This record gives sequence, structure tokens and C-alpha cells, in this order.
Amino acid sequence: TQLLEQSPQFLSIQEGENLTVYCNSSSVFSSLQWYRQEPGEGPVLLVTVVTGGEVKKLKRLTFQFGDARKDSSLHITAAQPGDTGLYLCAEWGYSTLTFGKGTMLLVSP
Amino acid sequence: GAVVSQHPSWVICKSGTSVKIECRSLDFQATTMFWYRQFPKQSLMLMATSNEGSKATYEQGVEKDKFLINHASLTLSTLTVTSAHPEDSSFYICSARAGAWGTDTQYFGPGTRLTVL
Repeated sequence: TQLLEQSPQFLSIQEGENLTVYCNSSSVFSSLQWYRQEPGEGPVLLVTVVTGGEVKKLKRLTFQFGDARKDSSLHITAAQPGDTGLYLCAEWGYSTLTFGKGTMLLVSP
Repeated sequence: GAVVSQHPSWVICKSGTSVKIECRSLDFQATTMFWYRQFPKQSLMLMATSNEGSKATYEQGVEKDKFLINHASLTLSTLTVTSAHPEDSSFYICSARAGAWGTDTQYFGPGTRLTVL
């Protein structure tokens, strides 16, 4: 089972700031998904990246997949309180998902 | 998008009792459903994978006699926590996958908060 490392574990910022969170592995990802989970809710899929070097944008969120497919990042521009939540990366494998420990983001007004 | 529901959303029970949690795919047929457990401030840990009409496959360290999973139809899977104890208190989340391929998207339910007194 691949070990996914996410950093930072916790991030507290003010509304309007930019931030980047990271997901790394010592092994090559087959493909990677990013989820956001709000307290007391199930995770919601944000994006799936498959190709090395791939960049995807979802409004203010930019997702990058490393060229070697061993790392990924999520950049949020002008964060808003509604972005608060647990951001999880997960390897999308042959039959199951393996989640990282997540980055807890708190955006204060 | 595909919707997965869970019932109940929260439950409190006494130690030693059993609790059943339902997971339903509302607008699609789920060939495979997954059960996860999430402790506070931690990530999701896969407990078991169930395919409709067959026995569930449990992850290492998960007691199959304690966490009974039934996937009797293509839209319903149940998780029964038998003889629950306080250490079983957790957030239980199910997900459902429409296709048979591992590359098909999993859709997650809203979770069930279990508190065992």
C-alpha cells in the first residue's frame, strides 16, 4: 500500500490570502484525486489527475500533477471562508482509494 | 451527479448493543460499495469492500465478525457494528461505485456519527 504524505497538516489563514498544499509519495501514482471534506460530511471529489505534468483549474483552485507522477499540489487563490475544510489527496488505484492524512484549512473572515 | 445517502446520520447507543447503518445509492446502481471509518482529526481508513451478492472483503485489522456488511441489492449496503464498545465510536462513511472497473468514480455518502456510551 502506497503511503501518501500531505503537508502542511494544518493551515490557518485570513480571507484573501493564497495557499498551496502538497501531496507526495515515494512511489509513482497511477492517478490522483483531490477531495474536500467539511466537518460532519463525506468527502466531495474536486478533481482527478492522471497525466504527469497535468494542470487543472476549478475556479480559484489550481491542481498540478508532478511530471514524475509522484507529487501533486493544490493552490487556492484569494481564499474564502467557504474554502474551510479538510483537503484530502487519494491515490486512485486498481480497485480502492488510499487517502493521505489530509490538510485542515481554516480561512478566517 | 450521483447521490449516496446514509441512515442514520448520527446514532448514540449503549455499550454492548448492535447498530446498523444503511448506505443507499439513490440514482444509480452500485456494483461495489466501500465502508470507511474516520476518527477525529484523521483521514479515512478503508474498512471493507463489498460487491453485490457476495461476501465483503475486509482490510487487514478489521474484524469481520464485529463489522458485518451486507450488500443484498445494487442500491443498498448495510454495516452492522455488533456488541459496540466506546472505542468503536467514530464517523463511518460509505461510498458507492457504479462501474465494475477500479477507475470508475466513487461517490461518498454524508457519513454516520456513532457514539457508544
